[in-house]
Amino acid sequence: DVKVTQSSRYLVKRTGEKVFLECVQDMDHENMFWYRQDPGLGLRLIYFSYDVKMKEKGDIPEGYSVSREKKERFSLILESASTNQTSMYLCASRSRASVKAEAFFGQGTRLTVV
Amino acid sequence: RKEVEQDPGPFNVPEGATVAFNCTYSNSASQSFFWYRQDCRKEPKLLMSVYSSGNEDGRFTAQLNRASQYISLLIRDSKLSDSATYLCVVCPSGGYQKVTFGTGTKLQVIP
Repeated sequence: DVKVTQSSRYLVKRTGEKVFLECVQDMDHENMFWYRQDPGLGLRLIYFSYDVKMKEKGDIPEGYSVSREKKERFSLILESASTNQTSMYLCASRSRASVKAEAFFGQGTRLTVV
Repeated sequence: RKEVEQDPGPFNVPEGATVAFNCTYSNSASQSFFWYRQDCRKEPKLLMSVYSSGNEDGRFTAQLNRASQYISLLIRDSKLSDSATYLCVVCPSGGYQKVTFGTGTKLQVIP
């Protein structure tokens, strides 16, 4: 059974804190993605990575950074959390082997910044 | 123009009805298309891929119109359990590209 696991389901952090969201996949996928999902705005891509140590900005990278030191792990970092980063964060992974490959999601992390 | 656009709905339909959703995309080089389903407070999961010739999976039919750059999802004989948000997904050619989601269309099937 394929699996994408996010480290936390719920997080509450204070404004200005550095926040790490971790994502691990066990499918040996090359591509990994971080999205945030907000009501009325859908899933918006923050960053993605197509290989170890490689990263590409998505549509809304401001205020975020990422790290991909190992193939199975993709971390999202909020350098200084702000209240407008309160959201649901979803990690996904996808094989590069086929254009028809499905993207698999983690269960999501609901982050509240107070 | 957004890369992928969907009517957010909600679509409220009675059980047994047929309902259709459309999704338009702006990148003519897009190669792969999917419909995902997302239940409330859950992660999105693949419903079906969309093939050039159109494809069917039980009560669900997906179509692709490259000339007009849209994909569609048709649900026949709607069930209460079909209530969810349906997300259109578009991938450009190549494996090094991002996966772009539409904002989703909310479907509520009512008894």
